Amino acid sequence: QSVLTQPPSVSAAPGQTVTISCSGSSSNIGNDFVSWYQQLPGAAPKLLIYDDNKRPSGIPDRFSGSKSGTSATLGITGLQTGDEADYYCGTWDSSLSAVLFGGGTKLTVL
Amino acid sequence: EVQLVESGGGLVQPGGSLRLSCGASGFTFRNYEMNWVRQAPGKGLEWVSYISGTGNTIYYADFVKGRFFISRDNAKNSLYLQMKSLRAEDTAVYYCARDGFQLGVWGKGTTVTVSS
Repeated sequence: QSVLTQPPSVSAAPGQTVTISCSGSSSNIGNDFVSWYQQLPGAAPKLLIYDDNKRPSGIPDRFSGSKSGTSATLGITGLQTGDEADYYCGTWDSSLSAVLFGGGTKLTVL
Repeated sequence: EVQLVESGGGLVQPGGSLRLSCGASGFTFRNYEMNWVRQAPGKGLEWVSYISGTGNTIYYADFVKGRFFISRDNAKNSLYLQMKSLRAEDTAVYYCARDGFQLGVWGKGTTVTVSS
C-alpha cells in the first residue's frame, strides 16, 4: 500500500475532462513539490508535470497540475485515445528520506 | 539527444548478485542527480535509490538498504546499481532516471529476474 494514495482507475469519453487525485501527508506532498508521470503501455514513464504545476517542454497544455495542502491533482482536458495510460504522482518524503510514488491510476478513454 | 541506456539485467538465482549500469549521453552527467526506480511485473513504480552529482549524498529505499549500493563514475558518464542477496521480490524492470526528486529523463529499463 503506497503512502501516496491515488484512485486505481478513472475513465471518461474522448473530448471530456478527467482529474486524478493524489493524497499524502505533511511530510511529503505538504512539504515538497509534486510531479506527475505518464506511462503508456509497454513504455518507460515520462514526466508530465513538475513543481506541482509546471509542464516540461513538449507536454501539451491539456495536462495541468495543482496542489492544495497535502493533496495534488492532475487534470487532463480534451481526452484522446492516446492518453490511455497509467499515471503516477511522485514527491519527496522528508521523514522517510525517500522518493515516493502513488500506486498509479489507470486511465481508460471510453 | 539526451539519453539513458540501462544494461546488466538478466536471470539470477535467489541470493545472487548483479550489477546494473546506466550510460548517459547528450548532457553533462556530473551536473545531474540520478535515481534508480523499479517496476515489478504488473505493479507500480517503486523508487530504489538516489545519488547526487558528486556522489556525496545517497539515499536508499528501506527495502534495499544493506543489499543494494548505488554509485557513479562521472568520467565514464555512468551510473551503477550493485545488487546483492537478491530475492524473488526484486524481480522487476529497473530504470535509471535523471533530475533529483522529480525525474525528468528516464531510460528504457533493464529486466532483472530472480528465480531458481
